[in-house]
Amino acid sequence: DVQLVDSGGRLVRPGGSLRLSCEGAGFTFRSYAMHWIRQAPGEGLEWVASISATGGSTYYADSVKGRFTISRDSSKSTVFLQMNKLRAEDTAVYYCAKDLSRQVPTSGYLDSWGQGTLVTVSS
Amino acid sequence: EIVLTQSPATLSLSPGERATLSCRTSQSVNNYLAWYQQSPGQAPRLLIYDASNRATGVPARFTGSGSGTDFTLTISSLEPEDFAIYYCQQRSNWPPLTFGGGTRVEIK
Repeated sequence: DVQLVDSGGRLVRPGGSLRLSCEGAGFTFRSYAMHWIRQAPGEGLEWVASISATGGSTYYADSVKGRFTISRDSSKSTVFLQMNKLRAEDTAVYYCAKDLSRQVPTSGYLDSWGQGTLVTVSS
Repeated sequence: EIVLTQSPATLSLSPGERATLSCRTSQSVNNYLAWYQQSPGQAPRLLIYDASNRATGVPARFTGSGSGTDFTLTISSLEPEDFAIYYCQQRSNWPPLTFGGGTRVEIK
């Protein structure tokens, strides 16, 4: 079975930095694009960033572009989200998700999700 | 950016009833639309992709239909575990991937 375990969320002050991790198991990690999605308290889902299977292509929401960086280490089956210059509006549960397809280009559908990790940005 | 509008915001139904959820997109997404289910305190779960394909393990009572700008998720007979929030999502023209605001299916 596919398993994704998100970690790294905590309380951080505005302007601070945080790195989230997501370790995958039960699938050939290096063959799939990976995504980060967030959900503010009581709100809907917002796509944050995506990375191709090879790591050669990355994509970002305008709201995080220039502040967040997605990366992956396929030798450790882990995808990361480096979050800098955090703002109160970045407060959310962050989920990593696996792409549905091993084909290129990325399908953009999210077929397995981590349990989420809570990031709270507050002074 | 393609905007997805879901209706109704809340659907109040009884177990065994049929649920019909709507998702409208601001421009055509062809059939590149997915549906997700999110139960309280849980991560979302992929139900339907490419408008009408059920994901692995999804029961047959879930049916997706539509193309272009108008899409429907139908749950033929609601089971207790189906009371949740449902989101649609497009991947036609990304980035960005975009989601609808969600429809809550609650017990009447």
